[in-house]
Amino acid sequence: KQEVTQIPAALSVPEGENLVLNCSFTDSAIYNLQWFRQDPGKGLTSLLLIQSSQREQTSGRLNASLDKSSGRSTLYIAASQPGDSATYLCAVNQPWNAGNMLTFGGGTRLMVKP
Amino acid sequence: EPEVTQTPSHQVTQMGQEVILRCVPISNHLYFYWYRQILGQKVEFLVSFYNNEISEKSEIFDDQFSVERPDGSNFTLKIRSTKLEDSAMYFCASADIGTGLNTGELFFGEGSRLTVL
Repeated sequence: KQEVTQIPAALSVPEGENLVLNCSFTDSAIYNLQWFRQDPGKGLTSLLLIQSSQREQTSGRLNASLDKSSGRSTLYIAASQPGDSATYLCAVNQPWNAGNMLTFGGGTRLMVKP
Repeated sequence: EPEVTQTPSHQVTQMGQEVILRCVPISNHLYFYWYRQILGQKVEFLVSFYNNEISEKSEIFDDQFSVERPDGSNFTLKIRSTKLEDSAMYFCASADIGTGLNTGELFFGEGSRLTVL
């Protein structure tokens, strides 16, 4: 059974700092990996999707990497801003012919202080 | 930009009552899902739906739960007799699997918060 773990559970940084959020998963037979942002009481906004054959994806100040063999992904946020404060969720997707279901980590709650 | 929409945003119900949560997936998507998130806990998979039938379901998705695509646009989750432990945020999602894009990216709605008293 796939297990996804995110470290740290919470992180507080001053504005402008570059930071790395970590995600690990136990079963490397994945279809893809998604990083989401969740604001309090809100839905899940997809930030980046990395296919299993890819090593990284970039969107603006965000860069996500994937090392499938070691079961790890990182989300790098450059020049953090107070508006980045949210919970960041990592989720791995099983092959779509095995149900295409996402298994989520517990999230990293990020606070960026002005 | 196309999005997944969910109604209601918040529903309060008495234990034992039936609840129907509604979702309109992205129009050209073929795979639909329900997930839930109990306050303070991980987002959990409930069920996936493709070609008018359930393709996978979790242990949580017992006989009290059912899903339906009553027409070409709506996708519903019914809880027959709600329990206190059903209180959670329920998320609908859709994915482009099988449309030719096949990125497998899931797009989530804003969620329906269910409070069972």
